[in-house]
Amino acid sequence: AQSVTQLDSQVPVFEEAPVELRCNYSSSVSVYLFWYVQYPNQGLQLLLKYLSGSTLVKGINGFEAEFNKSQTSFHLRKPSVHISDTAEYFCAVRRGVETSGSRLTFGEGTQLTVNP
Amino acid sequence: NAGVTQTPKFQVLKTGQSMTLQCAQDMNHNSMYWYRQDPGMGLRLIYYSASEGTTDKGEVPNGYNVSRLNKREFSLRLESAAPSQTSVYFCASSKTGGASHEQYFGPGTRLTVT
Repeated sequence: AQSVTQLDSQVPVFEEAPVELRCNYSSSVSVYLFWYVQYPNQGLQLLLKYLSGSTLVKGINGFEAEFNKSQTSFHLRKPSVHISDTAEYFCAVRRGVETSGSRLTFGEGTQLTVNP
Repeated sequence: NAGVTQTPKFQVLKTGQSMTLQCAQDMNHNSMYWYRQDPGMGLRLIYYSASEGTTDKGEVPNGYNVSRLNKREFSLRLESAAPSQTSVYFCASSKTGGASHEQYFGPGTRLTVT
């Protein structure tokens, strides 16, 4: 079975500062990796995903993530954050060999708070 | 397209009461899912349905039942609610197979059991 660990439960930063949200996963098979964002009182939206190919993936709102197979990590980064980026961020993994449905395993979430 | 819709948005139940959470999607997806979200625990899969007519248990199925009514609708039933089921419930849907694998989420149902 796969698992996901988000290394920081809360990340406070100042506006226009860079940010990195860390995610490690464990799996004995190939995986697909995702970052979702949840704004207050809303459902989850896909930020970006890694399926194959280039290990640096770009998503919406200026976010990007790098897949590192040797370190089993998929850290999310943004060079300059805005107040509107305040939200909870979830890393998720799916087994690459699964053909029935797209079952995801989620991390515990990281609350990003951007202060003025 | 409305995407994934859920009803109700909020619900308060007394211990022992029953209720059904409704979910519908208009994206012609084969797969549908029910999650619960609790602080510090991320989202945990309760049940999923890979296709119409099939359902399978997820990580935390105890105390819940599901029905895949048709391709569009997937309901979650609490037969006898308990305070431990106080949570935010999310329904999601996705294609089956292919390269996308993205799940689309509804807005959630906030349930309180007293």
